[in-house]
Amino acid sequence: EAGVTQSPTHLIKTRGQQATLRCSPISGHTSVYWYQQALGLGLQFLLWYDEGEERNRGNFPPRFSGRQFPNYSSELNVNALELEDSALYLCASSYGTLSNQPQHFGDGTRLSIL
Amino acid sequence: AQKVTQAQTEISVVEKEDVTLDCVYETRDTTYYLFWYKQPPSGELVFLIRRNSFDEQNEISGRYSWNFQKSTSSFNFTITASQVVDSAVYFCALSEDNQGGKLIFGQGTELSVKP
Repeated sequence: EAGVTQSPTHLIKTRGQQATLRCSPISGHTSVYWYQQALGLGLQFLLWYDEGEERNRGNFPPRFSGRQFPNYSSELNVNALELEDSALYLCASSYGTLSNQPQHFGDGTRLSIL
Repeated sequence: AQKVTQAQTEISVVEKEDVTLDCVYETRDTTYYLFWYKQPPSGELVFLIRRNSFDEQNEISGRYSWNFQKSTSSFNFTITASQVVDSAVYFCALSEDNQGGKLIFGQGTELSVKP
């Protein structure tokens, strides 16, 4: 069974540009989560999507947004990139919406802002 | 407020030593879930275990064991007879029943097992 896949592996942008990160969940999983792992800040919850709807959002500005497609894959968009957006962005998926469901993570997209 | 604390930033042991990774959590919910994840240098977070707040049974899986104590709000992880392949960053995480899937992570403990 294929795990969570993320693309691209690395992404280099400059300040002010926009970035799009992609995630395909494990087959059968309907929930997709996004986390940011920035140096010194640890892993922080960004967004949760289930059945195409945004279900929960972390403490991030509106320039972080995303969507979930009918096939449950997801995109994370970051507009007006700032230097502090440099981080590893991890996508996870789970079966259903219950809080007790383990989330399974992809390898991440490393976003570097120059 | 919900919070997870992993006070040990780095631990270094020699192969075959036992090592315990500490995790202390804070939550106001009566129903919550605790998780441990392993992050090897490749970056992918690997799920290790989940524990429900109403189940304080300790668990053993091979060389891994977990001790959950509600009285001290702790969920510690012990690796017995550590191996070089255990070297990674380990994260403890909390999920509350009313927060719908949001995982709150500790800062992580970097374990280095030397041969």
